Amino acid sequence: LAKTTQPISMDSYEGQEVNITCSHNNIATNDYITWYQQFPSQGPRFIIQGYKTKVTNEVASLFIPADRKSSTLSLPRVSLSDTAVYYCLVGQGDTGRRALTFGSGTRLQVQP
Amino acid sequence: EAQVTQNPRYLITVTGKKLTVTCSQNMNHEYMSWYRQDPGLGLRQIYYSMNVEVTDKGDVPEGYKVSRKEKRNFPLILESPSPNQTSLYFCASSLRGVEANVLTFGAGSRLTVL
Repeated sequence: LAKTTQPISMDSYEGQEVNITCSHNNIATNDYITWYQQFPSQGPRFIIQGYKTKVTNEVASLFIPADRKSSTLSLPRVSLSDTAVYYCLVGQGDTGRRALTFGSGTRLQVQP
Repeated sequence: EAQVTQNPRYLITVTGKKLTVTCSQNMNHEYMSWYRQDPGLGLRQIYYSMNVEVTDKGDVPEGYKVSRKEKRNFPLILESPSPNQTSLYFCASSLRGVEANVLTFGAGSRLTVL
């Protein structure tokens, strides 16, 4: 199983772009990279998923280099409501054992 | 509304008193799993199920049991709870295929074992 490493915490200000990087050096060929957002006392919520290159949706972008050993979640123009913990998850989409291991997450604090 | 429902949301119990935390999903998802979350330790998987009657251990299965008799339900059973099982528990489900890692989580069940 791919182990992930993320910064413990990050600080930003409203309106700035925030980039959170996740390291996953032993990612397997059929692993997908998925990011979640979690507010206190709530369940994590899916943000974005990718396999390679760049993926963009209405809330974020995900950048994955060619070697796939890391990925970067980009949040454009953050607001106070983006203050949360962000988790990177790397796992085998639908093949083999489906034990999924989350990292410790990155606590993002957005200041006014 | 598509959702994962957990009950109870809050529970205080005593050591050794068996309890069950229920989890139900209405999205016809094949995959279901349980996680516990403790301060500084992130989310740790307890058990998961690929489909009905198919369950397997996650990273921290000791002290827990699960069953998957129906596709929509995946209860977590603590046969003899101990204080070190005091935690916030989450149930999650997903489809198979490309969306397999796109998990829908429940709201959580906060358990305190005295």
